[in-house]
Amino acid sequence: TQLLEQSPQFLSIQEGENLTVYCNSSSVFSSLQWYRQEPGEGPVLLVTVVTGGEVKKLKRLTFQFGDARKDSSLHITAAQPGDTGLYLCAGGYNAGNMLTFGGGTRLMVKP
Amino acid sequence: DAGITQSPRHKVTETGTPVTLRCHQTENHRYMYWYRQDPGHGLRLIHYSYGVKDTDKGEVSDGYSVSRSKTEDFLLTLESATSSQTSVYFCAIKGGGKSYNEQFFGPGTRLTVL
Repeated sequence: TQLLEQSPQFLSIQEGENLTVYCNSSSVFSSLQWYRQEPGEGPVLLVTVVTGGEVKKLKRLTFQFGDARKDSSLHITAAQPGDTGLYLCAGGYNAGNMLTFGGGTRLMVKP
Repeated sequence: DAGITQSPRHKVTETGTPVTLRCHQTENHRYMYWYRQDPGHGLRLIHYSYGVKDTDKGEVSDGYSVSRSKTEDFLLTLESATSSQTSVYFCAIKGGGKSYNEQFFGPGTRLTVL
């Protein structure tokens, strides 16, 4: 069973601060996705990383896949209240047809 | 928008009653998944389907069954609902082409078993 550990579980910060969320495993994944979920809605895909060491940027969000493809991080610069939500990482395995999810990081950005 | 709908969106039922949740997609995706989401557990896979009448168990399949008689519909059935099955249920599809495992989710069904 592939396991993904996310940290921290909860994060409450002020608008304008920076933050990093971590996603760690002992397993190697073929890809790593990050999702964002708002209350009452399904998760929405933010990004997919597939190559060890890969870095992708989405406006103020920077995603990195570890060199060994076992871990990933999400860094948000100058957080805004609109960034509030549940962030989920998910690792791909089984010839690309399955995902295993981390437990999520609940982020609150206060104005 | 991946064209995924779920019905019902909310349901309250009593212990011991059967419940069926429906997932409908409009884009002919081969793979469909049912997850449940509970606080502290993230998303856990219940069952998945890789084609019409082709299904397999996930991590937490006990107490659930599925059926897929046509490409667009994937049904999740709780034969005899229990309070431990109170949860939010999400359906997902796997993107086509070089999608690198990407899955796209429906809006969810909140199920309460009293």
